[in-house]
Amino acid sequence: NAGVTQTPKFRVLKTGQSMTLLCAQDMNHEYMYWYRQDPGMGLRLIHYSVGEGTTAKGEVPDGYNVSRLKKQNFLLGLESAAPSQTSVYFCASSYRDRNYGYTFGSGTRLTVV
Amino acid sequence: QKEVEQDPGPLSVPEGAIVSLNCTYSNSAFQYFMWYRQYSRKGPELLMYTYSSGNKEDGRFTAQVDKSSKYISLFIRDSQPSDSATYLCAILTTQGGSEKLVFGKGTKLTVNP
Repeated sequence: NAGVTQTPKFRVLKTGQSMTLLCAQDMNHEYMYWYRQDPGMGLRLIHYSVGEGTTAKGEVPDGYNVSRLKKQNFLLGLESAAPSQTSVYFCASSYRDRNYGYTFGSGTRLTVV
Repeated sequence: QKEVEQDPGPLSVPEGAIVSLNCTYSNSAFQYFMWYRQYSRKGPELLMYTYSSGNKEDGRFTAQVDKSSKYISLFIRDSQPSDSATYLCAILTTQGGSEKLVFGKGTKLTVNP
């Protein structure tokens, strides 16, 4: 099993460009999440999904959009990238029973110049 | 007051030392507590999970919860250089009617040979 796979692993964008980060999980998890991790800020939840076709806002949703058309995939979009979105982005997934914890991907390092 | 507070360190110890990592939380209703380990340039991975007050042991690792003080700890015995990582506490909380995992900012640990 691959677990949670994130693509791409690295990306440099110019201000104003758009891009989509892809997250795929093969564990049949119901829930999926997008976090960003910044020095001194810890992990902050951007958006999450509790099932196929559903999405919800997290702590820092502005400037991002998400879609969950298939259970195994969760896409994070940046419509017009800004330098403040320079970060490491992590996708995670979990069973409906969150007591089992989350499984994280290896991250996408995004730099916006 | 933030829901979860964690001293960011950094913490540097010699090999073989006992390490104590700590978090405090604000809501006495929290019941599920986890510790994640994150190696450099990797995603967090679940290390230990505990529900009740008291201790839970797994090899060299012990997770401790003191609900009366709203304090959680992770102890590492006989620390090894391979334990060098950032350790994040996480607490399952209810926000807006749904459950979410809230992370501390992480403590960076270095174990020196």
